[in-house]
Amino acid sequence: GAVVSQHPSRVICKSGTSVKIECRSLDFQATTMFWYRQFPKQSLMLMATSNEGSKATYEQGVEKDKFLINHASLTLSTLTVTSAHPEDSSFYICSATLAGGPVGELFFGEGSRLTVL
Amino acid sequence: KQEVTQIPAALSVPEGENLVLNCSFTDSAIYNLQWFRQDPGKGLTSLLLIQSSQREQTSGRLNASLDKSSGRSTLYIAASQPGDSATYLCAVSSGNQFYFGTGTSLTVIP
Repeated sequence: GAVVSQHPSRVICKSGTSVKIECRSLDFQATTMFWYRQFPKQSLMLMATSNEGSKATYEQGVEKDKFLINHASLTLSTLTVTSAHPEDSSFYICSATLAGGPVGELFFGEGSRLTVL
Repeated sequence: KQEVTQIPAALSVPEGENLVLNCSFTDSAIYNLQWFRQDPGKGLTSLLLIQSSQREQTSGRLNASLDKSSGRSTLYIAASQPGDSATYLCAVSSGNQFYFGTGTSLTVIP
């Protein structure tokens, strides 16, 4: 299957700093990528849909200025958590589809564990 | 809005047993349904994808079925092994989004 790589897998930062998480499709072009947040023992919560070359579409309740998403190329989307606070500590996962839309198979990155001190 | 439910939330079985995980969804207008496995602290691994026109898919000891009209899917795991212990999630693609169930935490006891 297709490979989606996410980096870093773990990051610890101080409160008030910004953290960037990268999501790459290694062997296919992803016109659309999805960013999720997952709390312990809970399912995935969609944060935003990242579209190559255009602005991301954020879900209700997700702060656009807090979680900056950039999808500059067909193989890379980045999530930047700005001015991170302890409540932003979570597991962040990205995904992408081969077909670029909801009809294709969904592939996930390995996830990034963010801890804000 | 599509809602996806998985029952049971947790399941514990002895090694070697066959088991069934359930996934139900409220809107039958779906493109496909996908089953994933998630190990603690890891991302999701795709197990099986069933297109809306298909009834089932098989991969090794796994068999997934889809009954779109009743809004149900099952994941059958044959001859379970301790290595099967993980959380299993189903997801349906509907409209312009993917909708995830809450998962079933499976423990296979050696």
